[in-house]
Parts: sequence; structure tokens; C-alpha cells
Amino acid sequence: NFMLTQPHSVSESPGKTVTISCTRSSGSIASNYVEWYQQRPGSAPTTVIYEDNQRPSGVPDRFSGSIDSSSNSASLTISGLKTEDEADYYCQSYDSDNQVFGGGTKLTVL
Amino acid sequence: QLQLQESGPGLVKPSETLSLTCTVSGGSLSIINYYWGWIRQPPGKGLEWIGSVYYSGSTYSNPSLKSRVAISVDTSKNKFSLRLSSVTAADTAIYYCARSRNWRDFDYWGQGALVTVSS
Repeated sequence: NFMLTQPHSVSESPGKTVTISCTRSSGSIASNYVEWYQQRPGSAPTTVIYEDNQRPSGVPDRFSGSIDSSSNSASLTISGLKTEDEADYYCQSYDSDNQVFGGGTKLTVL
Repeated sequence: QLQLQESGPGLVKPSETLSLTCTVSGGSLSIINYYWGWIRQPPGKGLEWIGSVYYSGSTYSNPSLKSRVAISVDTSKNKFSLRLSSVTAADTAIYYCARSRNWRDFDYWGQGALVTVSS
């Protein structure tokens, strides 16, 4: 089984750009899609990026996803930060019979 | 619009079995390439996948919980269920049911049900 490692927290100012990483411990990051979720306090998670870099309808194009095989990691980038982006963000991937979530990253927009 | 709703006891005693049901409305549970899962979140902590079930009845579980988890599906009632045995305080969490597309992202979630393990 593999693990996904995220930074515990990141912070940035409104209007700036922030990137959250998600590193896979074993197996290639490119072998299975990576999904990203946003979770606000008291609410269930919602998808902001699916299949590495696809945005669901309704998610602003300020959100983007990518993978980097050289570092075996995925990244979620949020540009033009808004205070409403302050939330917890989780990456998720899978293999043939397991689903794995990263530990989550708390984004503070200050 | 697809909706998922968790139901079950909010308080379970240590060593007993936690039982939750997820009712799916606004769509069928019997759709190919969609899986139905359980995810939990201890207070103040991250998400943990518990397991998933396919409408055919095939099940998949987190290896760390496999010996205690049973997931079943009732397509006639459009529901699926979770049973977690021998619970301890460490199993106190918000339990979510969710749908995953093609074994990939979870695109629909229930609102979550808080289950506390305490005597």
C-alpha cells in the first residue's frame, strides 16, 4: 500500500498564488489519477480537481492541478487567492483495490 | 440531483458494532462503473477511506480495517451499509458515505454522521 504526503499547512495573502504538494510514497504518481478536494468547516469535501487536472463545472479556473513524475508528486495551485479559499485541501489517489487520502493541508489566506 | 444520506446510532459502546446505512435518492445505485464508499474523519483530523461496494456486491476495504469491516448493498432499497465491529474510542468520527466514479474521485457525498464510541 502507498501513502500520500501533504504539508500540514500553508498560508498566503489574498491575490497571491499558492501551491499544495502531494507526494506518493511508492508506485508512480502517473499510474493512477490524483483527485483534490476542498473541505470547509462543518461541511463534506467537494472536488476541486479530478483526474490530475480537470475542473468540475462551477470550480473557478483559478484552481489547477498537475503531476510531476520526477518528484513523484501532484500539485494543486490556486491563483488570485480569495479569503473564501481558506479551507482544508486533500489529495486522493488509488490502486486496484485501495483508495488513499493525503493527510490534508490547511490553507490560511491572511 | 443525486443525494446521499447517512443514518444510524450516534452513540456506540466500546467493543460493540457500529452500523450505518446510506440511502441514495435522485438516482440509482445500480449503475455500472460507480462505486459506493464509506469515508470517516475523526474530530479535527483527516479523511480515511474505510471501504467501498459495487452494486454487484463486490467489496473493497482499507487493509488497516479489513478484519473489522463489512459493507453490503441492497439494490432493491437503493441503500448500502457499513458495519464496523469491536469499536474503540479511536473509531469516534464523522462517517461519510460517497459515490466514486470509475474508482476515481468521490463526486457526491452525504452530509456526514457523527458516531461517538463511549460507554
